[in-house]
Amino acid sequence: AQTVTQSQPEMSVQEAETVTLSCTYDTSESDYYLFWYKQPPSRQMILVIRQEAYKQQNATENRFSVNFQKAAKSFSLKISDSQLGDAAMYFCAYRSVETSYDKVIFGPGTSLSVIP
Amino acid sequence: EAQVTQNPRYLITVTGKKLTVTCSQNMNHEYMSWYRQDPGLGLRQIYYSMNVEVTDKGDVPEGYKVSRKEKRNFPLILESPSPNQTSLYFCASSSQGGDTEAFFGQGTRLTVV
Repeated sequence: AQTVTQSQPEMSVQEAETVTLSCTYDTSESDYYLFWYKQPPSRQMILVIRQEAYKQQNATENRFSVNFQKAAKSFSLKISDSQLGDAAMYFCAYRSVETSYDKVIFGPGTSLSVIP
Repeated sequence: EAQVTQNPRYLITVTGKKLTVTCSQNMNHEYMSWYRQDPGLGLRQIYYSMNVEVTDKGDVPEGYKVSRKEKRNFPLILESPSPNQTSLYFCASSSQGGDTEAFFGQGTRLTVV
């Protein structure tokens, strides 16, 4: 069974600085999808970035980028030029490419605080 | 506006009293899921549906039921709620599996006393 681990329950970053949130996962599948979701205090779940395992190039979305290390099963999220609005809970998620079922596994989350 | 709508947003109920949390999406998505969110555990998948009349168990299905009679609706039913089902619940939909974005509802905070 697949598992997703986020070893940092809480993180903090100074405004305008850079922070990296870690995520590791375990799977026997060779192809899959990985996601980072943001959950602000409003509880709304917002997709931040996604990565397909067979694509070696790391995904980027504006100030957000990932460091995807397939062999190490690591999928960290880097937030550059942190803003107050980045304060939220961040969840790493794994989704299988298998088409006979739709299993999605989330990590426990990292709570990010941004210090003015 | 494309959205997933859950109701109610807050619910306090007593042990054993059957309840239904509704979920509706207006994006014609095939895939829908229910999750529960608990501190330190993240979101855990309860049930999912890949099309009308096709549902299957996720990781924590005990104590829950679902149905998918129409493409847009995917209600979550608790036949006999217990205090350990106190949680934050999310419904989500996507156009298919893979790397497609999942759209989430606003969440339902359920308290069972």
